[in-house]
Amino acid sequence: GAGVSQSPRYKVTKRGQDVALRCDPISGHVSLYWYRQALGQGPEFLTYFNYEAQQDKSGLPNDRFSAERPEGSISTLTIQRTEQRDSAMYRCASSDQGSSTEAFFGQGTRLTVV
Amino acid sequence: GQQLNQSPQSMFIQEGEDVSMNCTSSSIFNTWLWYKQDPGEGPVLLIALYKAGELTSNGRLTAQFGITRKDSFLNISASIPSDVGIYFCAGQDNDYKLSFGAGTTVTVRA
Repeated sequence: GAGVSQSPRYKVTKRGQDVALRCDPISGHVSLYWYRQALGQGPEFLTYFNYEAQQDKSGLPNDRFSAERPEGSISTLTIQRTEQRDSAMYRCASSDQGSSTEAFFGQGTRLTVV
Repeated sequence: GQQLNQSPQSMFIQEGEDVSMNCTSSSIFNTWLWYKQDPGEGPVLLIALYKAGELTSNGRLTAQFGITRKDSFLNISASIPSDVGIYFCAGQDNDYKLSFGAGTTVTVRA
């Protein structure tokens, strides 16, 4: 596609429910990144994929968070048993050379846990 | 994660004025980046700095990478209404992980 596409744009869920956030990177981009952005803050690194391999998941806050990219294209970030503190903007970015200086960010998914 | 301190937190400026914001870190970065985020959009890269001391311009924007690799500033000259937004600095210490500052919110008075 023309840009990084994320869906849904907005998600409201009840505490304890699981959510899945989708990222469709720019066509041909081999690297994919997930960031979380709290209100009034900059994005915070969560995890990084090179093709289908998850190279770094050190930024995932706890084991309720997981991500996959099974075919090296679309990625899903899953949050299990959501808590109110999970509320944030979740941003995906992709790049074609494995360097985040060339990465393009999506519009994000605004997650609200009530 | 690494802590980047960005200042000022917000600013109101008059159209036509020059603007300056800066970012400092306790850690060294190999690359410094400046992004702009418009409402409802993701961050968009404005300038990337790769060498200590490097001064780079992009139109009305000028940014410098500090000699110590622990700081950077961004200048916007002759501000216009479309300069409104949130400006983020970010440091990169490996090939993929970016550490962002908290942002500077710029509002322009027409």
